[in-house]
Amino acid sequence: GESVGLHLPTLSVQEGDNSIINCAYSNSASDYFIWYKQESGKGPQFIIDIRSNMDKRQGQRVTVLLNKTVKHLSLQIAATQPGDSAVYFCAETPGYSTLTFGKGTMLLVSP
Amino acid sequence: NAGVTQTPKFRVLKTGQSMTLLCAQDMNHEYMYWYRQDPGMGLRLIHYSVGEGTTAKGEVPDGYNVSRLKKQNFLLGLESAAPSQTSVYFCASSYGTEGNEQFFGPGTRLTVL
Repeated sequence: GESVGLHLPTLSVQEGDNSIINCAYSNSASDYFIWYKQESGKGPQFIIDIRSNMDKRQGQRVTVLLNKTVKHLSLQIAATQPGDSAVYFCAETPGYSTLTFGKGTMLLVSP
Repeated sequence: NAGVTQTPKFRVLKTGQSMTLLCAQDMNHEYMYWYRQDPGMGLRLIHYSVGEGTTAKGEVPDGYNVSRLKKQNFLLGLESAAPSQTSVYFCASSYGTEGNEQFFGPGTRLTVL
């Protein structure tokens, strides 16, 4: 059957490279943002989150950057590995409401 | 802990048939959600619940009903399935909405012929 990745923007990188996945969000009132990773045939998995009072947050090999002025979010993955191949979604919320998900970006990592 | 579980994993229905998808969570979360995921569309919220006995409509509620009789379970019903409801359905749960992470189940792939 059709994969969730069909028709998605795709980023192809080599193993060991750094990856940057971008997301433009729509609601200027959003104050909480999450990045999820979805591997083929699985449910989305939390990667990292950030509140609007921050512009950068770091995790293990991942960094999220938030630019509220232009309503832009990015996920940076350092030293990308084949296991990072997946679809990545950003999600936003004004905090008092439910999450709104972006359409996703497929990351393909070749050895 | 099992986290969020969904049954069944796969199902094929004929147009007009009904079915119920079951979601269960063992994290004592107050909030539960049902999403559908279609190719190139991301996740779209169908219905959600902010606690036992409560339900609310999401972005795409038409053709679906839900019930939350017990805190740990959230049921999604299709009364008369249509081919447009062919999709992958995900359940999620969270402690609350304020700054909270949603935990997802593995999904149910539904095909309506």
